[in-house]
Amino acid sequence: EAQVTQNPRYLITVTGKKLTVTCSQNMNHEYMSWYRQDPGLGLRQIYYSMNVEVTDKGDVPEGYKVSRKEKRNFPLILESPSPNQTSLYFCASSRRYLGELFFGEGSRLTVL
Amino acid sequence: GQQLNQSPQSMFIQEGEDVSMNCTSSSIFNTWLWYKQDPGEGPVLLIALYKAGELTSNGRLTAQFGITRKDSFLNISASIPSDVGIYFCAGPIIQGAQKLVFGQGTRLTINP
Repeated sequence: EAQVTQNPRYLITVTGKKLTVTCSQNMNHEYMSWYRQDPGLGLRQIYYSMNVEVTDKGDVPEGYKVSRKEKRNFPLILESPSPNQTSLYFCASSRRYLGELFFGEGSRLTVL
Repeated sequence: GQQLNQSPQSMFIQEGEDVSMNCTSSSIFNTWLWYKQDPGEGPVLLIALYKAGELTSNGRLTAQFGITRKDSFLNISASIPSDVGIYFCAGPIIQGAQKLVFGQGTRLTINP
């Protein structure tokens, strides 16, 4: 089954404790992206990757890092989480950059 | 950054009613996308529009790519309970970075 898998789905952590949200897709997609969803703000892009070792900032990259060492994986790293990073995060992928994204189920992160 | 404005932000309707929502931008888009997010899940692509004036249907859903290329409309006919969710419009920024921007979403609630 074609899918985008994120882990963890739910996480409560404390300020400053580094964490990684993993994302993996099994569709051999070149393009992958991370979004955060906040009430009233829709989906805002954090980082995206056009292919292996090619990443770039989206609209809200501050406080986040990404890497794309393999085609299927695109982890999101929060080096020092802060409460304003409490949000619902989505990873997405597409065969090529066309906008027809496949989304994961989301990771709800709470930073205390 | 680039913004898409969706209207209305929320809708409360009776089962069986038709629904209309729209998305506008100050910039032109070459592609318009409509996604639906069911509660607790990631967004799923409903309809993609690639040409100004294009009218595309997917079951009870119909979407149109505005002639000015600055707007798009989504209509749902004879709503049913499973139509509940958040509907997002989205479009890729034409120039510069490869980014897909989303509207704030329209939350649809249906009273049985």
